[in-house]
Formats: sequence, structure tokens, C-alpha cells
Amino acid sequence: EAGVAQSPRYKIIEKRQSVAFWCNPISGHATLYWYQQILGQGPKLLIQFQNNGVVDDSQLPKDRFSAERLKGVDSTLKIQPAKLEDSAVYLCASSLIVRDEQFFGPGTRLTVL
Amino acid sequence: EDKVVQSPLSLVVHEGDTVTLNCSYEVTNFRSLLWYKQEKKAPTFLFMLTSSGIEKKSGRLSSILDKKELSSILNITATQTGDSAIYLCAPSGSARQLTFGSGTQLTVLP
Repeated sequence: EAGVAQSPRYKIIEKRQSVAFWCNPISGHATLYWYQQILGQGPKLLIQFQNNGVVDDSQLPKDRFSAERLKGVDSTLKIQPAKLEDSAVYLCASSLIVRDEQFFGPGTRLTVL
Repeated sequence: EDKVVQSPLSLVVHEGDTVTLNCSYEVTNFRSLLWYKQEKKAPTFLFMLTSSGIEKKSGRLSSILDKKELSSILNITATQTGDSAIYLCAPSGSARQLTFGSGTQLTVLP
């Protein structure tokens, strides 16, 4: 069974530029999560989707971050404009609706200069 | 606000030692507690605990949940260098959302 796929793996941008990350969840997983993990901290939830609807985006900085999950499968997370403090690893995870276990993709390491 | 505290923050041991990692939590609508191992980037799932007092085992790793004390421990016996990683504790609460602790950085020296 294929795992969660993410791209790109690494991205370096300058502040005020925009960036987008892509995630393809495990087949059949209706729930998809985006997390931000800053060095030395645990992952912090940004947004949770179930199918193509948003369950919770209360921790998403909506002035600069946006996310969508068209057709209830792939998802993209965008940052525009980026700030220095956005430097982090962005993790995507997916799960079955009826299960607590989440399975993570390899993440995208974003460096904002 | 949901809260998770892991201790110790870091631990350095030698191969063959046994280690115990601690996790305490305060989570609304608690459902279960999950442990993950993080090497390099992606956290990988280790255990999910839902019932108090029932130990889950996988090889040299074991874990137990105490719902009365709102805590869990992860034990690793006969540690190996390949066990070096960050171990993350994450209780599941409302909407099956996970709240992660900052993790315990385990280093196993040969």
C-alpha cells in the first residue's frame, strides 16, 4: 500500500514570496491533515479536511495561509506572502474516518530567507 | 486548551540500556493516546492506547496508559542505535485531532 506522498521535499524562498505544497493521501483515507513542525517542537495542526470539507481550520493563519482539497483526494497548502517565521517542516497526514491513527508523509522542509 | 508534556526532553544512553519515556496530557474529549517515532522527517506510528492498564507490546517496545493519572509511558528494552529518534506522544481528542508533545530526543550510543 502506498503511503502519503508530498512534494516538494525541500523549498527555499525569500520572504514575501509565495509557495505551495502538495499532498496525496493514502488511498481510501477520507481525512487529511496539514501540520507545521518548527524545529524542537511537536507537529501543530493547521487544518483538517474530511473528504473535501474543512473540519477545523482554527489554527490556520488565514491572512497568509490557504488550503484546499478539491475532489476529496489531493490537497494543496499555500503560503502567500511568506515570513521568516514560516520556516518549518510541513507535514501532511491522512486517516480513515473511523480511526484515530494518522499516517504521515515525508514532509516538506521550507526555509524562508 | 489541550496540553501535552513529555519528559525527559532528551536522554542519552548506551546500547543495551532500558529507557522509560513519560507523557502527561490534558485533552478535552479524550479518545486515545498515540506514540510516534520520528527520525529525520515523518513521524511513524508505534502504538495506540485506549484502555487503562493494558500494555501494548511490539518487540522491545511497550507502552501503557493510565487514564486516572492522565499519563502514559513508553518503555524500550535492550536499546539499539537504531532506536535513536524523537519519540512523540499525541492524545486524540475532539474530531480525532492529535495534540503533540514536544517529544523526547533519545540518543543511543554504541
